[in-house]
This record gives sequence, structure tokens and C-alpha cells, in this order.
Amino acid sequence: GAVVSQHPSWVICKSGTSVKIECRSLDFQATTMFWYRQFPKQSLMLMATSNEGSKATYEQGVEKDKFLINHASLTLSTLTVTSAHPEDSSFYICSARVVSGETQYFGPGTRLLVL
Amino acid sequence: GQQVMQIPQYQHVQEGEDFTTYCNSSTTLSNIQWYKQRPGGHPVFLIQLVKSGEVKKQKRLTFQFGEAKKNSSLHITATQTTDVGTYFCAGRNFDKLSFGAGTTVTVRA
Repeated sequence: GAVVSQHPSWVICKSGTSVKIECRSLDFQATTMFWYRQFPKQSLMLMATSNEGSKATYEQGVEKDKFLINHASLTLSTLTVTSAHPEDSSFYICSARVVSGETQYFGPGTRLLVL
Repeated sequence: GQQVMQIPQYQHVQEGEDFTTYCNSSTTLSNIQWYKQRPGGHPVFLIQLVKSGEVKKQKRLTFQFGEAKKNSSLHITATQTTDVGTYFCAGRNFDKLSFGAGTTVTVRA
């Protein structure tokens, strides 16, 4: 149990385009989902926390207009990187949990390369 | 803000030897979690520690939570090649989970 999927796993796009990444909890309902980015050989940096049906809470320094997060259902959250630039190239990972304080289950991640 | 420091950043271990990675928080934590990320993979949950002074074991892995709930350690005995990867601690304070920088482990046979 506790499987989280992400789609796509890889995406290459041109600078200026927008990219949508989906995060799904497959066998449980996730009241909260988290979005992280990870640069090579670095730790996970929390970008935002999203609760189903409400606006996402963004970490300091993360542009909410650039990284649009939607958590429309208890099993799906999406991250849209708008007007992507090469510096947005990274490994984006989502995680999901059921209850506050409990384990977060991570998706397999999405590697984004912006040319 | 809350900071979680993890050392060492890199650990190169001879197969069969033991090693320990340490995690320290600037604030008291409600719990601490450990994750393992294999090269090219995503973090996988290993364990959660909640109680002051708690010690948990998973086969060759021993996890410890400090008395003050501000530090934790992961000790691996008799390292195997399957232990290769990056081990992250993540400390929870209220609703925020902050990750340490990770300890990347390589093993020489």
C-alpha cells in the first residue's frame, strides 16, 4: 500500500513553455501533498504544501505565480511550471500523507530539462 | 527557521565495516524520519522515531533519537553493497518536515 505515482517521469521542453506534473496517491486518500525539488547531489527542498480544496502554502523564495499548484481531489495534486527556463531544470518530487505527523510517501519524481 | 544538519556528507565504507551518520536540529523535534534514496531513485521511508531516547532496529540498521529530541543517528553494521545510496534524516517541527543534506554512502568491496 501507500503508493504515489508521478507523471511524467521525464520531460524535456523549450524555454518559455509550461509543464504540468501530476502526483497521484494510488491506494489512499492524501489530505496533504508536498512538492519538493532536488538539484543534483543536494537535499530535498520543500517548495510548497497543498491541502485538498485549499490554496497551497509556498515556502519562502518560491514564486507562487511560477509554480502553480492545484490539489483538486484527495488523490491528485498538480504542479505547473509556467514559462519554464533552463534554471528550472531539476528533479521534482511529490509526497503525500494521510494524517498530520504521519509518514510521507514519495512519488518516483519527475526530471525536468528546459532547453 | 528550523535547520537540520547532517554529517558526514559523504561516507566511503569498506564492505563489512560499520558506519554512523548523524543528524542535528536547531529546534526540538516532534519526530524524526529517515529516508534512503538510491542513485537515480526517489526517497524511500525507512523509519520514524517519536519518543525521547527511542532506539529502533531494522536488521543491520540502528536508529536512535536523542534524549532532547534534537538529534538522531543511523548506525549501519557490516555494510553491504546494497547499502549504497543517500540517507536523509528529516525532522518534524509542528507541521513542517525539514530534510538534512543527506549522507551519501559508497561501498568498496
